Amino acid sequence: DAMVIQNPRYQVTQFGKPVTLSCSQTLNHNVMYWYQQKSSQAPKLLFHYYDKDFNNEADTPDNFQSRRPNTSFCFLDIRSPGLGDAAMYLCATSREGGRWVSTDTQYFGPGTRLTVL
Amino acid sequence: TQLLEQSPQFLSIQEGENLTVYCNSSSVFSSLQWYRQEPGEGPVLLVTVVTGGEVKKLKRLTFQFGDARKDSSLHITAAQPGDTGLYLCAGDVQGTDRGSTLGRLYFGRGTQLTVWP
Repeated sequence: DAMVIQNPRYQVTQFGKPVTLSCSQTLNHNVMYWYQQKSSQAPKLLFHYYDKDFNNEADTPDNFQSRRPNTSFCFLDIRSPGLGDAAMYLCATSREGGRWVSTDTQYFGPGTRLTVL
Repeated sequence: TQLLEQSPQFLSIQEGENLTVYCNSSSVFSSLQWYRQEPGEGPVLLVTVVTGGEVKKLKRLTFQFGDARKDSSLHITAAQPGDTGLYLCAGDVQGTDRGSTLGRLYFGRGTQLTVWP
C-alpha cells in the first residue's frame, strides 16, 4: 500500500551527537514536511519542501537541517541534539496543486520518537 | 501568532456524553482537515471539508465547516473510551496568490480528549 514510512521508530542519541531521521513515501507527493511534536501538543512545523524548494519556518533552530535528495526521500538532521530536542518527529506529505489550488490533505508517517541522553 | 484557535484544549468526559470541539480563525480557508492522533502514533485523517456550510458525518462524529469557511466544529455523540486522543484541525489558507504559504497547512493547538468508562 502507498504510505509514508519513517525509520527508525525509536531513536536514542547522546547529548551533542548528530542524528539523522529518515522519511520515505510511495505516494509520489511533491510536498514533504517535518514536524516536531512534544507531549500532548500539536505538531510544530519545522520546514517543508515544495518539490526541491526548501521552506524553513522562522523559529526553527539552526540545529535542524533537512535534505531531500529525490521525490521519495527526505531526511532530518539534528546537528547537536540537546535535551530539549527530545520529541516525536513526524514526517508528512501532500499533493500540492499549485499556487492557485488548495493543498491536498497531509498524510502522516508513524513518527520517530527521539530520546536524548 | 496562531492562525487557527482550537478549543477547548483539554476535555475530560464520561462515556455516553456528547461533546463539541471548535476550530476558529479570522482567515478564510480553502479546505480544513480534522485529524485524530493516539499516543506514539502519527495523526490520522478523519475528514476534509471544502465547501462553506458543509456537514460531514463519520459514524458518531459530525463535522461542520462554517458558511464563511473561517471556522469548523467537530461534534461527537455518545462518546466512547475509544474516542480518546488528540484532535487536530488544520487549514489551507485561501488566496488569489498564496505566495509564501504555498504547500503549507496551519494546525490548531489540538484538543486532548479523554473519555472515561
